[in-house]
Amino acid sequence: AQKITQTQPGMFVQEKEAVTLDCTYDTSDQSYGLFWYKQPSSGEMIFLIYQGSYDEQNATEGRYSLNFQKARKSANLVISASQLGDSAMYFCAMREGPSGGSYIPTFGRGTSLIVHP
Amino acid sequence: KAGVTQTPRYLIKTRGQQVTLSCSPISGHRSVSWYQQTPGQGLQFLFEYFSETQRNKGNFPGRFSGRQFSNSRSEMNVSTLELGDSALYLCASSLVRTGVSGANVLTFGAGSRLTVL
Repeated sequence: AQKITQTQPGMFVQEKEAVTLDCTYDTSDQSYGLFWYKQPSSGEMIFLIYQGSYDEQNATEGRYSLNFQKARKSANLVISASQLGDSAMYFCAMREGPSGGSYIPTFGRGTSLIVHP
Repeated sequence: KAGVTQTPRYLIKTRGQQVTLSCSPISGHRSVSWYQQTPGQGLQFLFEYFSETQRNKGNFPGRFSGRQFSNSRSEMNVSTLELGDSALYLCASSLVRTGVSGANVLTFGAGSRLTVL
């Protein structure tokens, strides 16, 4: 079974608008970490934001926020005020403890975001 | 500080040849992980090294191997190349290898894009 599911292969958004990229996860661990990465066409994976399973507040980093709904096992990335430079692949990842995954991050298949001017 | 450096960035090989890829982690990072990224399979974990020892290995054939040196630099080797080995190989480093906190975020290099003809 997929541990990380990103159901949107591609998303389009108008510049300056907000966009939500979906991510659901599957784990039986109580302690885990959720990460979002951005991969532009150059190939480098760029870390965006982190959410711990015990964090009660949603994580925010500048224009990025993570809508964490623990009961639903979802960790959606919200990008506010989209910019042309946000066009890239976005990957959701999870790091579980030793019982779940030996701390090896598992990545989703990614969502391609295109920002239109 | 310098990021994760991967060399070479691009390379073309023919079937049956072997290839060695290099990764220099962020200074002070002792954990180095390797991932293979293809359009069909997404990001797949290859192996992880910590203190010159392989700690985890993904589901790849023995043709894929790696090592880590005392300065934490890592190399991965693929022998008897096959067409299906064409991929972007990403190296990532982190401060520690265990734990699920945000302090354990993976920092990726720009990748080595291997084409096998």
